Amino acid sequence: GEDVEQSLFLSVREGDSSVINCTYTDSSSTYLYWYKQEPGAGLQLLTYIFSNMDMKQDQRLTVLLNKKDKHLSLRIADTQTGDSAIYFCAESTNAGKSTFGDGTTLTVKP
Amino acid sequence: DTEVTQTPKHLVMGMTNKKSLKCEQHMGHRAMYWYKQKAKKPPELMFVYSYEKLSINESVPSRFSPECPNSSLLNLHLHALQPEDSALYLCASSRRGGTNTGELFFGEGSRLTVL
Repeated sequence: GEDVEQSLFLSVREGDSSVINCTYTDSSSTYLYWYKQEPGAGLQLLTYIFSNMDMKQDQRLTVLLNKKDKHLSLRIADTQTGDSAIYFCAESTNAGKSTFGDGTTLTVKP
Repeated sequence: DTEVTQTPKHLVMGMTNKKSLKCEQHMGHRAMYWYKQKAKKPPELMFVYSYEKLSINESVPSRFSPECPNSSLLNLHLHALQPEDSALYLCASSRRGGTNTGELFFGEGSRLTVL
């Protein structure tokens, strides 16, 4: 079955880079996503990567995918206090639904 | 218009009440979803409507009843809920239905408290 795992907490200083890691088990994953959830709000799609890619960059965000190890990471450059939130990794398979990790709470200290 | 709109934002109900949560999207998306999210946990899938037909029911108790009146609207009817059903209920949509749906667009959620 599908299983997505993330470390639960990450704390960085403002201006540093943040790296959030995720592992997944379903080798039939077609897309892998990163969502951000701020307190009291819904989930916001940040970026995604197709399973045949190994890297995608979008402004301050860099996604790396190691398909052999089933490892996904999200790097946020120049992290700001507004980046403090919970970040969910999710995979989408051909089953027509997404499976979410438990979420990583990112705390950015001034 | 890239929004998924959910109403109400907050709902308090007793265990004998009947209420409904509503969700609307005007992006032409062909699949809509209900998720339940407890504090500090990931969203848990409840139902998926694909091309206005119920395609996935994740063994949700019958006190939750989904309805999709048309491709833009999704309702969740609530009846005889339990206090443990208190949670944030998230609606989402995706461009495609079927097996390869693409990314999800979420609403802000309806926070439900059952007394």
